[in-house]
Amino acid sequence: EAGVTQFPSHSVIEKGQTVTLRCDPISGHDNLYWYRRVMGKEIKFLLHFVKESKQDESGMPNNRFLAERTGGTYSTLKVQPAELEDSGVYFCASSQSGLAGGNEQFFGPGTRLTVL
Amino acid sequence: GQSLEQPSEVTAVEGAIVQINCTYQTSGFYGLSWYQQHDGGAPTFLSYNALDGLEETGRFSSFLSRSDSSGYLLLQELQMKDSASYFCAAINDYKLSFGAGTTVTVRA
Repeated sequence: EAGVTQFPSHSVIEKGQTVTLRCDPISGHDNLYWYRRVMGKEIKFLLHFVKESKQDESGMPNNRFLAERTGGTYSTLKVQPAELEDSGVYFCASSQSGLAGGNEQFFGPGTRLTVL
Repeated sequence: GQSLEQPSEVTAVEGAIVQINCTYQTSGFYGLSWYQQHDGGAPTFLSYNALDGLEETGRFSSFLSRSDSSGYLLLQELQMKDSASYFCAAINDYKLSFGAGTTVTVRA
């Protein structure tokens, strides 16, 4: 079974540019999450999809971040325009069940974003 | 808000036992999970405690005490491959709130 995949693995852009990150969850997983780790800090929740619906986007930093999951399969996270403080590693995770299953989330390898 | 505290680093020798403590302050707490991360790669699920007590999974065990708002991860018979970062994560609703991670270094 393929795991969670993310593209690109690395992205280096200049301040003011736009970047789109993609996540392909494990097939059949309705729950998809985005997290971010800024260097030296903890991994922080950004948002949660159930199928194509945003269940919780309380962690999104501001309106420069837009996440979509059209069709309930893969998801994209767009940052426009990017700022220096957006640099970090963006992780995507998916899970089949919610709390009943222990909420085991399967993480992708992350996208390392560097904004210059 | 959510707050989880865990030690920043631990060093031990092969074959030893390491305990990583985690204390939490969260709202809507459902349970405590532990994740392992090698070299900044994908965090990997290790264990989950929804109820008080001990959960054992091979060489790793995890414990939760809701009355103390704390838990720990126990790594037994340490091996070199266990050198990694270990994160406790509180589950509230469907999302994970992570601690800053504990770097475990295993020496020969």
